[in-house]
Amino acid sequence: AQKVTQAQTEISVVEKEDVTLDCVYETRDTTYYLFWYKQPPSGELVFLIRRNSFDEQNEISGRYSWNFQKSTSSFNFTITASQVVDSAVYFCALSYTGANSKLTFGKGITLSVRP
Amino acid sequence: NAGVTQTPKFRVLKTGQSMTLLCAQDMNHEYMYWYRQDPGMGLRLIHYSVGEGTTAKGEVPDGYNVSRLKKQNFLLGLESAAPSQTSVYFCASSYFGPVVGELFFGEGSRLTVL
Repeated sequence: AQKVTQAQTEISVVEKEDVTLDCVYETRDTTYYLFWYKQPPSGELVFLIRRNSFDEQNEISGRYSWNFQKSTSSFNFTITASQVVDSAVYFCALSYTGANSKLTFGKGITLSVRP
Repeated sequence: NAGVTQTPKFRVLKTGQSMTLLCAQDMNHEYMYWYRQDPGMGLRLIHYSVGEGTTAKGEVPDGYNVSRLKKQNFLLGLESAAPSQTSVYFCASSYFGPVVGELFFGEGSRLTVL
């Protein structure tokens, strides 16, 4: 069985602060994929990143960075110098490989960035 | 650039009524999914389809039925709506499945069952 835990439910920061969103996962598969999706106030979910289990290299994209640590089963997301436009619900998700693969989502973290 | 379109966007039903949510995608995607989003629960998979004419149960399929008669459309039906089905429903599609390709989501359909 797969499980994704996002222990933080709501985070509030002031603009320009750095913020880290935690994600811990459970799976019995040796090959799997991890994802982050963003849901802005408009409601539509937007894909941010996909990472496979064999690639533990950290990734940076502008102000966003992701830290994948297999040893702790974590895939954390950091926003540097947060902006008001970063206010959204962020979901971490997990998928196994295969033709019928599907995403298992965490419960989401609501991030509020205040001006 | 329509992407994934859901209709209707909002609907209010009375307990016991039936309705169908339509999801249409114009990206020639093979895989389509229906999720529901409830406060504090994240997104939970209801049903999915890996190709035209196929459907499969997800995590919370009870009370829902689906059909994928055409590749571009994925219908979600509620035969006898219950208040527990009050939720925001999201349709998503992808070409190769979530492992290889990202999921594209619709804007959501907010359903209230009184």
